[in-house]
Amino acid sequence: EPEVTQTPSHQVTQMGQEVILRCVPISNHLYFYWYRQILGQKVEFLVSFYNNEISEKSEIFDDQFSVERPDGSNFTLKIRSTKLEDSAMYFCASNPGTSYEQYFGPGTRLTVT
Amino acid sequence: AQSVSQHNHHVILSEAASLELGCNYSYGGTVNLFWYVQYPGQHLQLLLKYFSGDPLVKGIKGFEAEFIKSKFSFNLRKPSVQWSDTAEYFCAVKGDTGFQKLVFGTGTRLLVSP
Repeated sequence: EPEVTQTPSHQVTQMGQEVILRCVPISNHLYFYWYRQILGQKVEFLVSFYNNEISEKSEIFDDQFSVERPDGSNFTLKIRSTKLEDSAMYFCASNPGTSYEQYFGPGTRLTVT
Repeated sequence: AQSVSQHNHHVILSEAASLELGCNYSYGGTVNLFWYVQYPGQHLQLLLKYFSGDPLVKGIKGFEAEFIKSKFSFNLRKPSVQWSDTAEYFCAVKGDTGFQKLVFGTGTRLLVSP
């Protein structure tokens, strides 16, 4: 069964560094999402992406964040200058556009030191 | 604004016990409702969903949930839990128009002792 994949599984970075989190959504899916979960807190929506543009973003998704679908298969989340409070599990999800179910990847645990 | 409340943060049950996890939502319109499960070390998986129709929905692994519109609730149930049900359970809601974001509850960590 096709799955959403994410790399790396764990990323450690220093404050102020740029990180890129990578996701490969399920092939032929049309809608893409990033969520994050700070340890002990709820899963929070960051951004949704459709037709090569952002369709919705949360107040968390400020100018430090950007998303890209550079080659038709990868979907990336970039954090330009990481802060300690960016430490979280980041989940990618995709949706086929024929139902409302979102399919989640295994997550990338980002640790900012 | 949409919000989801899960009142039980940690639940401990013995095998064969019955399970009910509460979920209440706040949203000013028609909603789609979901329960996701996250087994240790694994990704979020869909257990079941409600879009419309019969308010009692059945999902995978013997789980079911009942949508009660008047109570803004979507509680998850299972008559007899197994050790393998140990996981974290998340209730989520989205508006019923388009492919919008999911709004999640805080999750309930279930531990089933053998």
